[in-house]
Amino acid sequence: KQEVTQIPAALSVPEGENLVLNCSFTDSAIYNLQWFRQDPGKGLTSLLLIQSSQREQTSGRLNASLDKSSGRSTLYIAASQPGDSATYLCAVTPPPGYGGSQGNLIFGKGTKLSVKP
Amino acid sequence: DTAVSQTPKYLVTQMGNDKSIKCEQNLGHDTMYWYKQDSKKFLKIMFSYNNKELIINETVPNRFSPKSPDKAHLNLHINSLELGDSAVYFCASSQDRYRVPYFGPGTRLTVL
Repeated sequence: KQEVTQIPAALSVPEGENLVLNCSFTDSAIYNLQWFRQDPGKGLTSLLLIQSSQREQTSGRLNASLDKSSGRSTLYIAASQPGDSATYLCAVTPPPGYGGSQGNLIFGKGTKLSVKP
Repeated sequence: DTAVSQTPKYLVTQMGNDKSIKCEQNLGHDTMYWYKQDSKKFLKIMFSYNNKELIINETVPNRFSPKSPDKAHLNLHINSLELGDSAVYFCASSQDRYRVPYFGPGTRLTVL
């Protein structure tokens, strides 16, 4: 059964720091991996999607990497800002026909990030 | 605005009641989902509908029943509410079951 773990559960950094959030998954058979952002009282916003054949994706100050064989992904945030404060969720999608859970996003519990001015 | 919308945003009710949460998407997506985020913030899929057909039904009590009157709507009906049903319920939609899902703002359900 696929399990997704995110470390740390919470992180507090001063503004301007570069930081890395970690995600690990137990089964390397994935279709893709996504990073989401969740703001309090709001829904989830997709930040980056990495297909299983890709190694990384970049969007602005965000860079996500994927090492499928070791079951790891990292989200790198450069020059953090107070507006980056949110909970960051990692989720994997099983491949077609695998485990009877097609299209089922499996989430980690998230990392709550606080960026202090 | 193109989006996934849910109503109500907050729902407070007594144990044993029956309630519904509505979800609508105007993105023309084929697949819609319901997720539950419990008190520990763990987000887990409950149901998925693809072109009005149920394709995922995780281990959810049969008190929960998704209803899809058309491709743009997926409502969640809950019978005989229990304290443990208190959570935030998120609706989402995606172009197909393997594309990026777009999430609604969530409905915070509190059962007293």
